[in-house]
Amino acid sequence: RKEVEQDPGPFNVPEGATVAFNCTYSNSASQSFFWYRQDCRKEPKLLMSVYSSGNEDGRFTAQLNRASQYISLLIRDSKLSDSATYLCVPFKAAGNKLTFGGGTRVLVKP
Amino acid sequence: EAQVTQNPRYLITVTGKKLTVTCSQNMNHEYMSWYRQDPGLGLRQIYYSMNVEVTDKGDVPEGYKVSRKEKRNFPLILESPSPNQTSLYFCASSFSGVTQYFGPGTRLTVL
Repeated sequence: RKEVEQDPGPFNVPEGATVAFNCTYSNSASQSFFWYRQDCRKEPKLLMSVYSSGNEDGRFTAQLNRASQYISLLIRDSKLSDSATYLCVPFKAAGNKLTFGGGTRVLVKP
Repeated sequence: EAQVTQNPRYLITVTGKKLTVTCSQNMNHEYMSWYRQDPGLGLRQIYYSMNVEVTDKGDVPEGYKVSRKEKRNFPLILESPSPNQTSLYFCASSFSGVTQYFGPGTRLTVL
């Protein structure tokens, strides 16, 4: 089993709709989680950090379920500019280890 | 402007011809790392450095070398590139090793 698993998508989303997708992780020692956004062929950029059960930043909400070992990202009122690949990144303090998921591609359409 | 720069951005080379990809950051970060990104495999760490003269292997270090002689620079060296090193490479820097700031990427093709 991969350390981090994400549905590659694409998730085709009408503009203004809500989309949610999950990331499952295998290492229960992961302490923090990050969502990065990556536009096509460009560098990943930090979208959100999750240190406890979840986090909310504007239209973006992340929720962590440690018991089931997954973290979700929800995007409300989707904009065309939200089209990107979203990378899930668990972090283990032991070894200072970040593990990047393969990403979930989201396409927001008019 | 706080940034991580990489050069070159695009490179086509031939098998066995040594090359260096430079990486520089102006944020005074101690932690720097190199990743490669391949379709279906995501970002994989090649090498990382926690400070000047301190480097360590990541998940896929074979065929690569790095050095950290100055805090701001962290070059990636391919002594004898092979076609399986064709990839998109990202340099990243971080204050603590957690939140990563990525450079714009270097697209390398080895023929």
